[in-house]
Amino acid sequence: SAVISQKPSRDICQRGTSLTIQCQVDSQVTMMFWYRQQPGQSLTLIATANQGSEATYESGFVIDKFPISRPNLTFSTLTVSNMSPEDSSIYLCSAGTGEGGEQFFGPGTRLTVL
Amino acid sequence: SQQGEEDPQALSIQEGENATMNCSYKTSINNLQWYRQNSGRGLVHLILIRSNEREKHSGRLRVTLDTSKKSSSLLITASRAADTASYFCATENSGGSNYKLTFGKGTLLTVNP
Repeated sequence: SAVISQKPSRDICQRGTSLTIQCQVDSQVTMMFWYRQQPGQSLTLIATANQGSEATYESGFVIDKFPISRPNLTFSTLTVSNMSPEDSSIYLCSAGTGEGGEQFFGPGTRLTVL
Repeated sequence: SQQGEEDPQALSIQEGENATMNCSYKTSINNLQWYRQNSGRGLVHLILIRSNEREKHSGRLRVTLDTSKKSSSLLITASRAADTASYFCATENSGGSNYKLTFGKGTLLTVNP
């Protein structure tokens, strides 16, 4: 199993600013993912964070808006750029071994954009 | 895009009763997983069932999978107030999905003491 921490746990930001969310895993994992969960909704995958290379984005999500870094096997960041109120969501990081098994989720970052 | 569709969207039962949630999906899968989320927090993995399995048990949980109907069910027996949460099914699609999960819309379960 893996224990995942995220920072910050919540933030309130002004329109037009950017926020970087950090995700730390307590063990080396193959796969790391970033999800968005809008209020009362399910999870939508933003991108797969690839170690040492550019993230793989899902349809509807672009690097300019959601730049992602993954410098090693235990750490990743997601930046939400040029924020608008529509970006208000919970952002969740997850990790997996890449062997078709379960994913382990962080506690999420609750973002409110005013 | 959403793959799974949970049914019902919300379920309210009394403590001690059983709760059944259903999930349907659209494409071929490697496995189907169920997760629990308490009050907008992180998700907790409950159980995974592979495409060649039909039924799986874990404690008070029972999951079935019918690949011909592209559907799964999660049964929680002898429910407790602490089981109050949102439950999501998630599919790992076959065909080079790179282990990505596609989540359903979820069922909000309320267990009344």
